[in-house]
Amino acid sequence: ETGVTQTPRHLVMGMTNKKSLKCEQHLGHNAMYWYKQSAKKPLELMFVYSLEERVENNSVPSRFSPECPNSSHLFLHLHTLQPEDSALYLCASSQDWEGTPGNTIYFGEGSWLTVV
Amino acid sequence: DAKTTQPPSMDCAEGRAANLPCNHSTISGNEYVYWYRQIHSQGPQYIIHGLKNNETNEMASLIITEDRKSSTLILPHATLRDTAVYYCIVRRMNTGFQKLVFGTGTRLLVSP
Repeated sequence: ETGVTQTPRHLVMGMTNKKSLKCEQHLGHNAMYWYKQSAKKPLELMFVYSLEERVENNSVPSRFSPECPNSSHLFLHLHTLQPEDSALYLCASSQDWEGTPGNTIYFGEGSWLTVV
Repeated sequence: DAKTTQPPSMDCAEGRAANLPCNHSTISGNEYVYWYRQIHSQGPQYIIHGLKNNETNEMASLIITEDRKSSTLILPHATLRDTAVYYCIVRRMNTGFQKLVFGTGTRLLVSP
């Protein structure tokens, strides 16, 4: 139990569906992240929210739409995905203050997404 | 952030020490070395980090060479549950949020 909870753990969706992944952190952190892990590829950073503001978007296609309504919750809205988007989507959080690079990042268990 | 090089895989007998090397020859003075691991089908788990001194916690020890161009993660008594992919990451001082860039890591297999 890392304090970062992701739901659902498994999701199968069609290419025309709209679904959302949810992440909640119980650690009081001020930064949240979405990572993607495809089969046999390194983790890829998708989005970063710091103090509820999106501060990083790593050229992610618009069919992935993040939302951070407050510092404890992060969503990833999915629509018209492709089969190659099937992957493990990981949420993470950290407590970051200026000048404190030693803080660590805590990951959730991930949501396995299959697009059919 | 500096790039790291790790062997793709290693084996270790249960109960023995596992020594996982990492090269980061282009590391600069304000970059930290972090180690994470990922057990199959789970999210990565933080293990340890350091700047230039050796570090130890309840999970592992981190030995950083004096020139900081390489480091070794030591699991003193490996168990079967330590089978995982281990990632060595170098990260510079940053403000506001962490940006960890994961490589392919070392797949450690602990056998009975």
